Amino acid sequence: DTGVSQDPRHKITKRGQNVTFRCDPISEHNRLYWYRQTLGQGPEFLTYFQNEAQLEKSRLLSDRFSAERPKGSFSTLEIQRTEQGDSAMYLCASSLAAGDIEQFFGPGTRLTVL
Amino acid sequence: SQQGEEDPQALSIQEGENATMNCSYKTSINNLQWYRQNSGRGLVHLILIRSNEREKHSGRLRVTLDTSKKSSSLLITASRAADTASYFCATDARGTSYGKLTFGQGTILTVHP
Repeated sequence: DTGVSQDPRHKITKRGQNVTFRCDPISEHNRLYWYRQTLGQGPEFLTYFQNEAQLEKSRLLSDRFSAERPKGSFSTLEIQRTEQGDSAMYLCASSLAAGDIEQFFGPGTRLTVL
Repeated sequence: SQQGEEDPQALSIQEGENATMNCSYKTSINNLQWYRQNSGRGLVHLILIRSNEREKHSGRLRVTLDTSKKSSSLLITASRAADTASYFCATDARGTSYGKLTFGQGTILTVHP
């Protein structure tokens, strides 16, 4: 399968714990995006990378959130000291360089914070 | 906050009928895209229309864009039960980073066999 993959697909954690999600984009895509989607809503932009550079972060991304793309390939999203409000689906997408082009989404990681 | 607002929030039709969903947005855009999301699955890109385009077709899909009214519509013709999903419009706003999509809340489409 050459699509975008995310791991894990589901994560249940207790409030206060740290969690890390991984995204593997389509191999030739140099842009990688993270979105968050809560029930009944559309995805909300969190951050994106052009190769290994993180170019923009949403105001939604508090100091407890950090994302990396160390070698310009896979990316990780870490949430520290999780809160119940962090419960959501975290979606990763990738695309070729900027322009009028589509994004390819992964299946998402569903986070539940108890 | 979401820039795109879809209308209706939910739509229920019979197989073979046409389904029309509308999207309104607030700022100038580079392009507008439509995505489909099946229950429990990721988003799938359906069609992209650039700001200088007015209409685009792809198979049973027809998208229109009216930049003067800041609105778009998605028409699915001859619907099938497999079209049952949530449909989102997403705008790539001018003046922001290319590719930073802003999604609406979506339209839930149910097609009854």
